[in-house]
Amino acid sequence: EPEVTQTPSHQVTQMGQEVILRCVPISNHLYFYWYRQILGQKVEFLVSFYNNEISEKSEIFDDQFSVERPDGSNFTLKIRSTKLEDSAMYFCASREGFDGYTFGSGTRLTVV
Amino acid sequence: DAKTTQPPSMDCAEGRAANLPCNHSTISGNEYVYWYRQIHSQGPQYIIHGLKNNETNEMASLIITEDRKSSTLILPHATLRDTAVYYCIVRLREVGSTLGRLYFGRGTQLTVWP
Repeated sequence: EPEVTQTPSHQVTQMGQEVILRCVPISNHLYFYWYRQILGQKVEFLVSFYNNEISEKSEIFDDQFSVERPDGSNFTLKIRSTKLEDSAMYFCASREGFDGYTFGSGTRLTVV
Repeated sequence: DAKTTQPPSMDCAEGRAANLPCNHSTISGNEYVYWYRQIHSQGPQYIIHGLKNNETNEMASLIITEDRKSSTLILPHATLRDTAVYYCIVRLREVGSTLGRLYFGRGTQLTVWP
């Protein structure tokens, strides 16, 4: 069964450093998303991406965040200057049409 | 914000049916009901969705009341691996829509015991 692949599975970074989280969505999917889940909290929407541009973003997705689909297969989330409160599980998801999203297994980001 | 209400926890014996309720009294006519689950800290997994008719797939059945204000997800023969948080989500499903934000609430922690 096709799956969304995320790397790395766990990343530790120092506060103020830049991090790039990587995702390979399912190849024929057209819509791409990033969500995050702080430990013990709800899953929160960050951003959606379609046709090579952001289609919707949440209030969490401020200027420190950016997304890119650099080569038609990878979908990346960059955090420019990490803060302690950015520590969370980050989930990439994709969908083709109307049906359910397929989520990746996540990247656990720990900011120290 | 999440537009659904679910009990925070339920349990079920292995092999029995698990019936997870969800209230969505403010659902509009063009909103669908989706169910996802999250096992431990893994990514959410799509289970099933429906508009007004009952739906069944290899994972579960979805029963939506006639007034569409509530629904029930049924896992017919729960196993230990079905222990997870189950989320009921309502969202628009429009032709060509680029929107797709899912609002996750707290969900229901289902514990299946041996």
